[in-house]
Amino acid sequence: DTEVTQTPKHLVMGMTNKKSLKCEQHMGHRAMYWYKQKAKKPPELMFVYSYEKLSINESVPSRFSPECPNSSLLNLHLHALQPEDSALYLCASSQGQTPYNEQFFGPGTRLTVL
Amino acid sequence: EDQVTQSPEALRLQEGESSSLNCSYTVSGLRGLFWYRQDPGKGPEFLFTLYSAGEEKEKERLKATLTKKESFLHITAPKPEDSATYLCAIYNQGGKLIFGQGTELSVKP
Repeated sequence: DTEVTQTPKHLVMGMTNKKSLKCEQHMGHRAMYWYKQKAKKPPELMFVYSYEKLSINESVPSRFSPECPNSSLLNLHLHALQPEDSALYLCASSQGQTPYNEQFFGPGTRLTVL
Repeated sequence: EDQVTQSPEALRLQEGESSSLNCSYTVSGLRGLFWYRQDPGKGPEFLFTLYSAGEEKEKERLKATLTKKESFLHITAPKPEDSATYLCAIYNQGGKLIFGQGTELSVKP
């Protein structure tokens, strides 16, 4: 089973709202990732968690707050977003951050900020 | 600087018309080259990992090859359901997976 699940599939929020994106994997992977993808562009890395600890933060604005409650779950908390934050948010996981393994992606959450 | 360049940006084929997609890369020490397929509005689907020059991997109508400077994704006798964007990616020295811009493939019946 190489499945990564994400909820919700779609999310519409105002600039003053607080919402969360959720990601789950049951492959025993110890590295989990958040990516942002705009239309016609490749995914851009936001955060990496390795063994439940934040190992990479790609200078993402503080209105995005990641959380890794356990080895199977990854959350992305959203607050005071801007319309330009509208995008497809992808979660991925891999066996470990090193050695460098293939990443398996979830279906994504389509976020629209009004 | 580590980077990935894919060509062409878009490719239109007739059903059954074989072709190849190119991914050229520059990196200090390759730690794997990855091919993904992405359908519109969905997450990338993992296809292949290649680690060393000369390596080849196959899956149905797709075959991926690797040299010291580039990788090719060969599509043999494509079908309309092969239409998607194909992404190539490598890990840079900092452990970050960096993607090419992708090739948007359209196969017409």
